[in-house]
This record gives sequence, structure tokens and C-alpha cells, in this order.
Amino acid sequence: EAGVAQSPRYKIIEKRQSVAFWCNPISGHATLYWYQQILGQGPKLLIQFQNNGVVDDSQLPKDRFSAERLKGVDSTLKIQPAKLEDSAVYLCASSLGSGKIEAAFFGQGTRLTVV
Amino acid sequence: TQLLEQSPQFLSIQEGENLTVYCNSSSVFSSLQWYRQEPGEGPVLLVTVVTGGEVKKLKRLTFQFGDARKDSSLHITAAQPGDTGLYLCAGVRDDKIIFGKGTRLHILP
Repeated sequence: EAGVAQSPRYKIIEKRQSVAFWCNPISGHATLYWYQQILGQGPKLLIQFQNNGVVDDSQLPKDRFSAERLKGVDSTLKIQPAKLEDSAVYLCASSLGSGKIEAAFFGQGTRLTVV
Repeated sequence: TQLLEQSPQFLSIQEGENLTVYCNSSSVFSSLQWYRQEPGEGPVLLVTVVTGGEVKKLKRLTFQFGDARKDSSLHITAAQPGDTGLYLCAGVRDDKIIFGKGTRLHILP
């Protein structure tokens, strides 16, 4: 079974530039998550989709971050404009979304460096 | 404020020793998960505990969920260098998975 695919693996941009990350979840998984993991910390939930609807985006900095999940499958996360403090690993995860016990399967992440 | 507190944050011990990592919260969770993350990779699920007081064993790893479903512990017996990594606890509540900051474990050969 193919896992969660993310691209790119690494990205270096200057502050005030824009950047986009792509995620392809495990086939059949209804729930998709985007997490931000700053060095030395645990993942912080940015946004959670159930199919193509947003379940929770309370911690998404909406003035600069946006995310969409087209047709309830692939998802993109965009940052515009980027700030130095956005340097982090952006992890995409998916789960079945069918029950109370939800194991999340993670991609390898995109490491973003803002200079 | 951090919903889930993990301790210790860092732990470096010799191969063969035992260790316990704690995950504490003032909130009740429907279940609690433990993940392990290696450098350059995403977290990988080790176990999910659901019932208060539940104990699960995975080879040399023993996971326990507190009776009140607010806390959990991970005990490793006879640690090996392959156990090195970042251990993350995550509480599941209202269909959301909330992570602690993690415990970075280093086992010295």
C-alpha cells in the first residue's frame, strides 16, 4: 500500500516570497491533516479536512496561510508571504476518518527554510 | 499552553538500561497514541490505548493509559541503540489528534 506522498522534500525561500506544498494521502482516507513541526517540538495541527470540507483550521494563520483539498483527495498548503518564523517541517497525514480510533499515517514532510 | 506535557524532554542512557517516559494532561482523551519519529521522517504510530488503565506491550515497550484517561506512560526495558528517536504522545479528542512536544531519546552503545 502506498503511503502519504509529499513534495517537495526541501524548499529554501526568501522572506516575503510565496511557497506551496503538495500532499497525496493514502487512497480511501477521508481525513487529511497538515501539521507544522518546528525544530525540537511536536507537530502542531494547522488544518484538518474531512473529505473536502474543513473540520478545524483554528490554528492556521489565515492572513498568510491557505489550504485546499480538491475533490477530497490531494491537498495543497500555501504560504504567502513567508516569514522567518515559518521555517519548519510541514507534515501531511491522513486517516480513514471512519471511527473514533484514528491512526494517522504521515508523509516524510517538507522542510522549509525561510532566509 | 501545551495540552499534553511530556517528560523528560531529553534522555540519554546506556544500552541495557530501563527508562520511562511520561505524558500528562489535565484533559480527558477518548484515546491516546504513541508515535516514534526518526530524523527526516514523519511520525510512525506505535500503539493506541483506549480504555482507562489499559496496558499494551510491544516487545520491550510497555504502554499504559491512566485510569482517568488523562495521562500515559511508555516504559522501555533493556534499551537498545535502535530505540533512539523522538517519542511523541498524542491525545485523540473530538476527532482531533493533538501532539505533545516529544521526548528525544538517545541510547548509547
